[in-house]
Parts: sequence; C-alpha cells; structure tokens
Amino acid sequence: DQQVKQNSPSLSVQEGRISILNCDYTNSMFDYFLWYKKYPAEGPTFLISISSIKDKNEDGRFTVFLNKSAKHLSLHIVPSQPGDSAVYFCAASYAPEKLVFGKGTKLTVNP
Amino acid sequence: EPEVTQTPSHQVTQMGQEVILRCVPISNHLYFYWYRQILGQKVEFLVSFYNNEISEKSEIFDDQFSVERPDGSNFTLKIRSTKLEDSAMYFCASSGESRRATGTEAFFGQGTRLTVV
Repeated sequence: DQQVKQNSPSLSVQEGRISILNCDYTNSMFDYFLWYKKYPAEGPTFLISISSIKDKNEDGRFTVFLNKSAKHLSLHIVPSQPGDSAVYFCAASYAPEKLVFGKGTKLTVNP
Repeated sequence: EPEVTQTPSHQVTQMGQEVILRCVPISNHLYFYWYRQILGQKVEFLVSFYNNEISEKSEIFDDQFSVERPDGSNFTLKIRSTKLEDSAMYFCASSGESRRATGTEAFFGQGTRLTVV
C-alpha cells in the first residue's frame, strides 16, 4: 500500500529557477510531514518538516506547503542550485516512532 | 556535528548465514530505528526501539530479524538466516525526545549495503 506517493520520479530545472516537488498521501491519520534529501551512497538527510496544524513552513530557500483537504504537500526550492541535485523523499508520520516514505523524486538542477 | 554511524559500509554474505549490522546512534537520542531500501524502491520502515524494547515493527520485521542495544552506545540489527531478498541498503536512524514534544526528526546513518549471494 502506497500511503505516501511521489508521482514524479524525476524533475529537471535550471539553476536559479524554482523547483517544486510534490507528494500526496492517503492516510488522514498522518499529522507530521518531513522532507529528506539523499545523495548517492549516503543516508537520507533531514531537510524540513511541517505539522498538520500548519499550512506552510519556511527555512531559507526551502518552503513546505501542506494542503490537508487535498492530502497534498509540496516542497519549493528557490532559487535552485546545482548542489540541490539529489533524491528528495517525502515522509509522513502519525506515530512518534515510524516514518512512512514515498519512493522519492530525483531532482537535477542544471547550471 | 553529532552523527549516526554504521558499520560495515558493505557486507556480503551467503544465503542462510547470519549477519549483524551495527549502528552507533547519536549519544543523547532515545529512539532508534532501522529502515531499508531495496535497490530502486522506497525507503521502508523495519522497526523502532525505545526504552530497551521494540515499540513498533513492520510486517517485514519477521522472526528472522532481531534488534538489540547491547550497551549504552550500540544498536544492532541481526538477520538470522539471510535470504536473497534481504539484499538492500539498511539505514539506522535515531531521534531525541518524542517529536510530538519537541519536533525533533530522525537522523540517518550512511547505510550498510547488504548483498546476499
């Protein structure tokens, strides 16, 4: 069962433009959402999170938007940089100890 | 900066053999986790561990799997009789106080690539 879905396996953007990564979820029990970034041969690195009581959280170039009615969240990166090229995983949780991950979206930022 | 460390980085084992994957979580963290990622697939939750016992486990975490915190610093995942389909990248993670209280997130190690032949 795919409780967390990232329907775009890849995304390519130009340096300086906005990257928008999307994530949908099916379990209405989820109350905490996270984005992780992963480089090859490394573990996922926490990027940004949002609680279900909020609809937006911003940290520098990264902003996460949550639309609970649509069960949709997105990660905006602006401006995008070549170093942002990585696989981005959306994750969700309704219990403190368990994260459910999407399959990931590979972002390529072209110079 | 504190980090989660995992050893070995790559383990090759014969089918049917026992394997132990080792992790040193961040020292003041209280929750410990194992995840795995089969090549080309998503990161999957295996088990979480808190207060010296399993707090949650997935259907993947069957009787062939066990976890242990043998001392104050290590956290291990044991697979008793490995199968070909156990080949994957195994990630250890840890987090601090319950994220419901403080919003802390899980921090992951670099992973151990397990290859069962």
